Amino acid sequence: EIVLTQSPGTLSLSPGERATLSCRASQSVSSNYLAWYQHKPGQAPRLLIYGASSRATGIPDRFSGSGSGTDFTLSISRLEPEDFAVYYCQQYGNSLPNTFGQGTKLEIK
Amino acid sequence: QVQLQESGPGLVKPSETLSLTCTVSGGSISSHYWSWIRQSPGKGLEWIGYFSYSGSTTYNPSLRSRVTISGDASKNQFSLKLSSVTAADTAVYYCASGGWYLDPWGRGTLVTVSS
Repeated sequence: EIVLTQSPGTLSLSPGERATLSCRASQSVSSNYLAWYQHKPGQAPRLLIYGASSRATGIPDRFSGSGSGTDFTLSISRLEPEDFAVYYCQQYGNSLPNTFGQGTKLEIK
Repeated sequence: QVQLQESGPGLVKPSETLSLTCTVSGGSISSHYWSWIRQSPGKGLEWIGYFSYSGSTTYNPSLRSRVTISGDASKNQFSLKLSSVTAADTAVYYCASGGWYLDPWGRGTLVTVSS
């Protein structure tokens, strides 16, 4: 099973700042099959990025994903008030079971 | 666009079977893959498994002996059954479209295991 470790656990920033979230895998993620989700309380989790760097439909271009192998990053270029949430990474595909990171909480400073 | 809604009992007794249904609108369960995921209180997300109406199912090995995911095309619904539940199965259960990356998700339903 691939274990995903996200850092930091909590990130405190102000609107307009840049956020950088990290996801590290215990072994290489095949074909960069890595996704990022945004989750707000009481709402359905929302797919942001798949394939490590492809934005999902309707996702603003301030969200970007990068990385390969075992190290992946989600960047938010200029934080909007609605971006404060919990973010999860997930690996999928050939390495079953699909697994999620423990999450990074992005909070307003 | 595709929307999903989970439904089922919010309270299940230990040793019994948890049964949840996901109703899909705006799309057909006869195509694509469909998944269940859960999140225990204060913990992260855990993938339970996925199925396709063509007959393919894949489960998390940690739950495989207790899980069944199946679909009913006539109602455009798919379901989760988890047997022999314990307090450790208390969680918010989500259904989602997809077997790999998941999009979209339902809002989730809380299931508490308690006598």
